[in-house]
Amino acid sequence: DTEVTQTPKHLVMGMTNKKSLKCEQHMGHRAMYWYKQKAKKPPELMFVYSYEKLSINESVPSRFSPECPNSSLLNLHLHALQPEDSALYLCASSQGGRGGDLREQYFGPGTRLTVT
Amino acid sequence: QQQVKQSPQSLIVQKGGISIINCAYENTAFDYFPWYQQFPGKGPALLIAIRPDVSEKKEGRFTISFNKSAKQFSLHIMDSQPGDSATYFCAASREYGNKLVFGAGTILRVKS
Repeated sequence: DTEVTQTPKHLVMGMTNKKSLKCEQHMGHRAMYWYKQKAKKPPELMFVYSYEKLSINESVPSRFSPECPNSSLLNLHLHALQPEDSALYLCASSQGGRGGDLREQYFGPGTRLTVT
Repeated sequence: QQQVKQSPQSLIVQKGGISIINCAYENTAFDYFPWYQQFPGKGPALLIAIRPDVSEKKEGRFTISFNKSAKQFSLHIMDSQPGDSATYFCAASREYGNKLVFGAGTILRVKS
């Protein structure tokens, strides 16, 4: 089973709201990722957690705050977002490690976020 | 040096034809090259991946060809079907680290 689940599927929020995106995987993967994808563009990496520790932050604004409560769960807390933050937010996971197969990333279906 | 250049931007193929998408990279430290397929409103799905120690990998109708000296790799979709209509992304990563560098994407349309 190579399933990554994300909730909610759609989210509309105002610029003063606080909301959270959730991601879950039960494949025993030890690396989890947040990506942002704009229409007709490739996914852009935001954060990487490896063994539940933040290993990569791609200079993401502090209004995005990731959290990894355990090896199966990944959250993205949102606060004071801007309309330009509207996008598809994708979560992914991989086994972690250096070998080719260990780096296979499996993506969830994404959360379509609209900031009004 | 981090870029992966993908072409064409869009592609129209007749049903039963061969779809070919090309990618080129500069960073010789890249050693893992996956292809992803993405349908509208869905997340990217891993299609097939290759490492530089092989020149070709085939899975069903999908084949990756890899040319290490030219620093190029390509996806061939044989007997293309309308259900293959999607956006395809090539990507690359280094042995150390978990970052995937994506190409810009190719929108494939297979006409029936």
